[in-house]
Amino acid sequence: QSALTQPPSASGSPGQSVTFSCTGTSSDVGRYNHVSWYQQYPGKAPKVMIYEVSKRPSGVPDRFSGSKSGNTASLTVSGLQAEDEANYYCCSYAGSNNFWVFGGGTKLTVL
Amino acid sequence: VQLVESGGGLVQPGGSLRLSCAASGFTFSNYEMNWVRQAPGKGLEWVSYISSSGSAIFYADSVRGRFTISRDNAKNSLYLQMNSLRAEDTAVYYCAREPLPVGNTFDVWGQGTMVTVSS
Repeated sequence: QSALTQPPSASGSPGQSVTFSCTGTSSDVGRYNHVSWYQQYPGKAPKVMIYEVSKRPSGVPDRFSGSKSGNTASLTVSGLQAEDEANYYCCSYAGSNNFWVFGGGTKLTVL
Repeated sequence: VQLVESGGGLVQPGGSLRLSCAASGFTFSNYEMNWVRQAPGKGLEWVSYISSSGSAIFYADSVRGRFTISRDNAKNSLYLQMNSLRAEDTAVYYCAREPLPVGNTFDVWGQGTMVTVSS
């Protein structure tokens, strides 16, 4: 069982927006702003899409945005494209005991 | 900028394996590094962290006492010594870099190396 809770699946049609949630606790998501989101295609390494809750690395489209409220972080993908179909994992720093914790992942299907 | 893992394979329960991660394209000695694993069909799991100098090390509860992380900055390499392996350690193991100046995410990942623990 993963430390952070994500819905197992989400879907949307091209052009639509979809938002994923990532629920942690006051010891991880709620306490630190070191929340990241990773995109992973089957058989490939993860790629960071969002870090520090809402920052986008260079090269990541601005269709991807992140936010946080309390113990829950969210990733929104706007203007869905077929290439966005992938697994998305959230991750939070959790202090010196647990260090980094991940969610179980959300599989995004573009209909 | 590249990370390349090696050393994975098939090992019997109770056995040992040493993974390596070769870094290139950046000043390895400046960066904090981690191992992250992914069991077949499952999500990501953080395994271990090592500071840039090697002076600070942390482990997930699931591997503490069995796995040892280390690095050789002169060889631009990261290692994971895995002992007393169990079936539940079967996974793809990735090395991942934390960026500067703040290690607030994993910005570079290797392609992964598969470890299978089975008799």
